[in-house]
Amino acid sequence: DIQMTQSPSSLSTSVGDRVTITCRASQSISTSLNWYQHKPGKAPKLLIYAASSLRSGVPSRFSGTGSGTDFTLTISSLQPEDFATYYCQQRGTFGQGTKVEIK
Amino acid sequence: EVQLLESGGGLVQPGGSLRLSCTASGFTFSSYAMSWVRQPPGKGLEWLLSISGSGGSTYYADSVKGRFTISRDNSENTLYLQMNSLRAEDTALYYCAKALYSYASAWYYFDSWGQGTLLTVSS
Repeated sequence: DIQMTQSPSSLSTSVGDRVTITCRASQSISTSLNWYQHKPGKAPKLLIYAASSLRSGVPSRFSGTGSGTDFTLTISSLQPEDFATYYCQQRGTFGQGTKVEIK
Repeated sequence: EVQLLESGGGLVQPGGSLRLSCTASGFTFSSYAMSWVRQPPGKGLEWLLSISGSGGSTYYADSVKGRFTISRDNSENTLYLQMNSLRAEDTALYYCAKALYSYASAWYYFDSWGQGTLLTVSS
């Protein structure tokens, strides 16, 4: 099975900051990587699919890049509603999650 | 608007059984694969099972193979998760999710989710 390693596991940041979260696959997965946002008590939300395609309705401050084994989710200017946990997903495997917290 | 509403969670003793339901609305249910994903307390997301739109194909994670069964009733727009031989480590929030097929990965991604139903396995 392909292992997904997500980093960091958590980060403290401020509104307006640029945030970068990475996900690394144990072998090449082309662009088969998706990103989700999850807030406590809420349904998880799809942000990015196929590594870089922004889901309709998701703000453009979210972007995804990468192919092969290394992938990045970037939030260009963090907004108050973006404090959440973010997960990458490759087939039946989710990354461990990155909790974005207020500094 | 897509809506997914899970139900059926509760407290079950180890070794017991339970069936979860997920009622869907806002889309043509039979046209889409569906999945179950869980989140144990304080932990991350874990994909468990998926079923094709017709119900003819099912996929299982190794962690639940032989114990959990996914099914659907397209006439009732409802997805089911039958869970048997429950263990303490099955304690989690269980989400149903509408799944889209990616030909690039030959797998699914999840474009809509319910808010989950909580299963607690404890004596």
